[in-house]
Amino acid sequence: RKEVEQDPGPFNVPEGATVAFNCTYSNSASQSFFWYRQDCRKEPKLLMSVYSSGNEDGRFTAQLNRASQYISLLIRDSKLSDSATYLCVGSSGGSYIPTFGRGTSLIVHP
Amino acid sequence: NAGVTQTPKFRVLKTGQSMTLLCAQDMNHEYMYWYRQDPGMGLRLIHYSVGEGTTAKGEVPDGYNVSRLKKQNFLLGLESAAPSQTSVYFCASSSVRELFFGEGSRLTVL
Repeated sequence: RKEVEQDPGPFNVPEGATVAFNCTYSNSASQSFFWYRQDCRKEPKLLMSVYSSGNEDGRFTAQLNRASQYISLLIRDSKLSDSATYLCVGSSGGSYIPTFGRGTSLIVHP
Repeated sequence: NAGVTQTPKFRVLKTGQSMTLLCAQDMNHEYMYWYRQDPGMGLRLIHYSVGEGTTAKGEVPDGYNVSRLKKQNFLLGLESAAPSQTSVYFCASSSVRELFFGEGSRLTVL
């Protein structure tokens, strides 16, 4: 079982929709969590960090639930340009060794 | 700003040939990583380094070697390439939090 699990999708939603992704992690020692975005055949880029108190950046909201060991990403008012793969990343304390989920594909259509 | 630069970007090898992928970063980061990305598998860590002169194995190290003789460079070597090593390779560097990726190196082993 991978340390970080994601539903690969694809999530196919119309413009303007709200969509949510979840990611579960198995290592309870994991301390830091992030969401990365990866466009087709491009390198991943940081979308946002995930804090226990939640984190909001415009249309994007990320949350961490340590009790249930999952993190979430909510995208409101989806745009065509949001179409991409969203990667969940966790890392344990000590050495910073990030572990990636397999990614969730989002397709936003007109 | 260059950030993280990978060379070469594309390469075709025959089984048994050797090659080296070069990663260079200009952000003075301590941490550097090599990942491979295959369809449906997400990013898997091959080797990583927590500082100049150090290297460690990741999730899928077999068939690869690495060196970090200079802080800014992290080399990934394939001594005897196999078709199973056909993949997209990403180098990344980090100061602790955010990972910065190179554009990727697409390797095909025939």
